[in-house]
Amino acid sequence: DSGVTQTPKHLITATGQRVTLRCSPRSGDLSVYWYQQSLDQGLQFLIQYYNGEERAKGNILERFSAQQFPDLHSELNLSSLELGDSALYFCASSPGTGATEAFFGQGTRLTVV
Amino acid sequence: GESVGLHLPTLSVQEGDNSIINCAYSNSASDYFIWYKQESGKGPQFIIDIRSNMDKRQGQRVTVLLNKTVKHLSLQIAATQPGDSAVYFCAENADQAGTALIFGKGTTLSVSS
Repeated sequence: DSGVTQTPKHLITATGQRVTLRCSPRSGDLSVYWYQQSLDQGLQFLIQYYNGEERAKGNILERFSAQQFPDLHSELNLSSLELGDSALYFCASSPGTGATEAFFGQGTRLTVV
Repeated sequence: GESVGLHLPTLSVQEGDNSIINCAYSNSASDYFIWYKQESGKGPQFIIDIRSNMDKRQGQRVTVLLNKTVKHLSLQIAATQPGDSAVYFCAENADQAGTALIFGKGTTLSVSS
């Protein structure tokens, strides 16, 4: 168990809908990262938050947004969903801002039908 | 786009053999590299990391080699076991802030007994 908790584990929704994925980082970790993993693809970095502030941005679509709350949990919002958004979404956390080992959650499997 | 890639998508070995998984990176500014193992249905798990001021780092049954001249990273697994079967990803801190891990597509290691 990495200590990173993601909910829900599975999510099925229709095209055009909006969903929210939730992540609780390891105790004491201030950085949260979001990744998308499509079938047969690697992990695409979406966005990083550190202590409530956006720190780094990757290949995140404009339809997607994220935030980190004062209690350090994070949410990834996906809107106007398309079939191609079906993927595993992983959250990871690390203690600080510097490049270091990140601990991953078990992921949320999103299926858009 | 991604700056980390792997040479081979799959690698099959016999139990007890040594495995070598390779990775090429293109961002010469990256100074932190890491290997993760992902088993089916799980989030990535840390294996070993290395900073750019080192050429080699050893862990338990694993060794990471870094060749900055040719921008090449490798993971060596000694006495490979069936439990080592998984997808292996290399990653580097190639984002602009130098804090987020950018992953390659992964190599699937299959170990037969």
